[in-house]
Amino acid sequence: EDQVTQSPEALRLQEGESSSLNCSYTVSGLRGLFWYRQDPGKGPEFLFTLYSAGEEKEKERLKATLTKKESFLHITAPKPEDSATYLCAVQSFSGGYNKLIFGAGTRLAVHP
Amino acid sequence: GAVVSQHPSRVICKSGTSVKIECRSLDFQATTMFWYRQFPKKSLMLMATSNEGSKATYEQGVEKDKFLINHASLTLSTLTVTSAHPEDSSFYICSARGTYDSDTQYFGPGTRLTVL
Repeated sequence: EDQVTQSPEALRLQEGESSSLNCSYTVSGLRGLFWYRQDPGKGPEFLFTLYSAGEEKEKERLKATLTKKESFLHITAPKPEDSATYLCAVQSFSGGYNKLIFGAGTRLAVHP
Repeated sequence: GAVVSQHPSRVICKSGTSVKIECRSLDFQATTMFWYRQFPKKSLMLMATSNEGSKATYEQGVEKDKFLINHASLTLSTLTVTSAHPEDSSFYICSARGTYDSDTQYFGPGTRLTVL
């Protein structure tokens, strides 16, 4: 069964304190791994798609990386506006082209 | 690009009534739309997948007769919660995938449903 586990569940950082969020996955065949950001009371906002081990993508202070078992979302010198829940999701070949399996998310709070 | 809207953003209704939520892709054609439910501090739970012009495919445990989904055009899908009860209160979010980026689901802002 396809599974996604995110850690930590919650993370508190000081402004400027870099850190990484982890997404471990178990799928029979990875089609794609997706990172989203969700603000309270809003829908998820798309950040990145990663397809193969070794791939990296960057956007402003965020960088996503992928290995065969996990993905990391690195946050460099975060600002308070980076506070949100970060969701990881996988799409597998066996699970059907449609389905995204989501992790529970990491709630990030960045304090000034 | 890839903007998805939902309407209404919030709805309060009485127990036993039906509520319709609209999901629109504003700047692309959505060949597939998805409906999710999210409980407080929990992740998204897929309810159903719909392709334009076809019947929706529901996830196990989701009542087809309670949650009616229509995907009548390439830019519009609707979710109707029939005979709503307090336990149906939740945050409902749609997503769309289509001509903008065939791999990625783009999400709407969500609809908060409260059933009294």
